[in-house]
Amino acid sequence: AQSVTQLDSQVPVFEEAPVELRCNYSSSVSVYLFWYVQYPNQGLQLLLKYLSGSTLVKGINGFEAEFNKSQTSFHLRKPSVHISDTAEYFCAVSRMDSSYKLIFGSGTRLLVRP
Amino acid sequence: GAVVSQHPSRVICKSGTSVKIECRSLDFQATTMFWYRQFPKQSLMLMATSNEGSKATYEQGVEKDKFLINHASLTLSTLTVTSAHPEDSSFYICSARTGGLAGAALLGEQYFGPGTRLTVT
Repeated sequence: AQSVTQLDSQVPVFEEAPVELRCNYSSSVSVYLFWYVQYPNQGLQLLLKYLSGSTLVKGINGFEAEFNKSQTSFHLRKPSVHISDTAEYFCAVSRMDSSYKLIFGSGTRLLVRP
Repeated sequence: GAVVSQHPSRVICKSGTSVKIECRSLDFQATTMFWYRQFPKQSLMLMATSNEGSKATYEQGVEKDKFLINHASLTLSTLTVTSAHPEDSSFYICSARTGGLAGAALLGEQYFGPGTRLTVT
């Protein structure tokens, strides 16, 4: 079975500061990795994904994430955040098989303060 | 591209009634659709997976007689909450993924609808 751990339930940060949202996963098989963002009362929007290849993945809105297989991590980073980045961020994994089911972490609320 | 819509966006119903939520892929054919529910300040929990033309596969603990899923076409899946009760109040989100050669480049990616807020009084 797969599991995803987002240790930080909330991360407060000042505008223009850098931020890292942590994600660790557990799986006995190879997985794909995703980061999604959810704004209030909305569905999820894909920020970025790791399928294969380069371990540094760049996504939308200036976010990037690095896949570290040895540490089973996929931390999300942004060098300078904006007020508009305030949202809930979910890390997710999907097995590399035909099911494509996503297993989500518990989410991290990024709160950007002026 | 890859837009998924849900209807309605919000619905309030009385306890004991049934509610149908539609999920549509607007510009692609979705071979597989997924239904999630999300309680306030919590993560998404997968309820079921539906493939076009076949019965849905429900996750453990999800009552298939209560949450009826129909995936009648490659662009439409519906979730019917039967005999709704206040504890069914939640945010329901669907997602869809493509299949075949066109979907190979998007392997494993799901596109999410905007969600439906269900309140049972």
